[in-house]
Amino acid sequence: DQQVKQNSPSLSVQEGRISILNCDYTNSMFDYFLWYKKYPAEGPTFLISISSIKDKNEDGRFTVFLNKSAKHLSLHIVPSQPGDSAVYFCAASYKSSGSARQLTFGSGTQLTVLP
Amino acid sequence: KAGVTQTPRYLIKTRGQQVTLSCSPISGHRSVSWYQQTPGQGLQFLFEYFSETQRNKGNFPGRFSGRQFSNSRSEMNVSTLELGDSALYLCASSWGSYTGELFFGEGSRLTVL
Repeated sequence: DQQVKQNSPSLSVQEGRISILNCDYTNSMFDYFLWYKKYPAEGPTFLISISSIKDKNEDGRFTVFLNKSAKHLSLHIVPSQPGDSAVYFCAASYKSSGSARQLTFGSGTQLTVLP
Repeated sequence: KAGVTQTPRYLIKTRGQQVTLSCSPISGHRSVSWYQQTPGQGLQFLFEYFSETQRNKGNFPGRFSGRQFSNSRSEMNVSTLELGDSALYLCASSWGSYTGELFFGEGSRLTVL
């Protein structure tokens, strides 16, 4: 039962253009969403997050949009650069019992930015 | 500031053996989480420890266990290894708050033959 889905395993974009990575979720209890970027032979690194009380969050070239009614979020990268080529993971969380909070990750999207 | 350190980085075991992986979190972080990454499956949550107590557990069999020490360092153990346990095991640390932002190590690549 995949609660967080990234249906596109790969995406290729020309340098300078916009990259749009998509993520769908099924659990309506999720209230916090994150994007992580992973290069080969490295651990994932945090990119940007959004709380369910917002529908948009920006950080430089990166913007995350949240559509709660559609249970959908997307990451926009503008302009895309070759260094952005990596696997992008979408993650979602909610506060479970006590103080515990765990992240549920999607399966990732390999972004390739072509020079 | 040192990042999350995982040892060993690579290891090869045979079916039926057991393995112990180690994780040293960022200084001051009290929460350590473990994830398993396999191709096409993303990152699957194993468990989280906070102040030496397991406060959350994923859907993995009892062969997977862990612990956390008083200095926040953590170990995870897999007993009776199976071929399907071959994966990248990632450790992540955080302050333990509710924001969910984790800082990951580079992982331990386990191959089971």
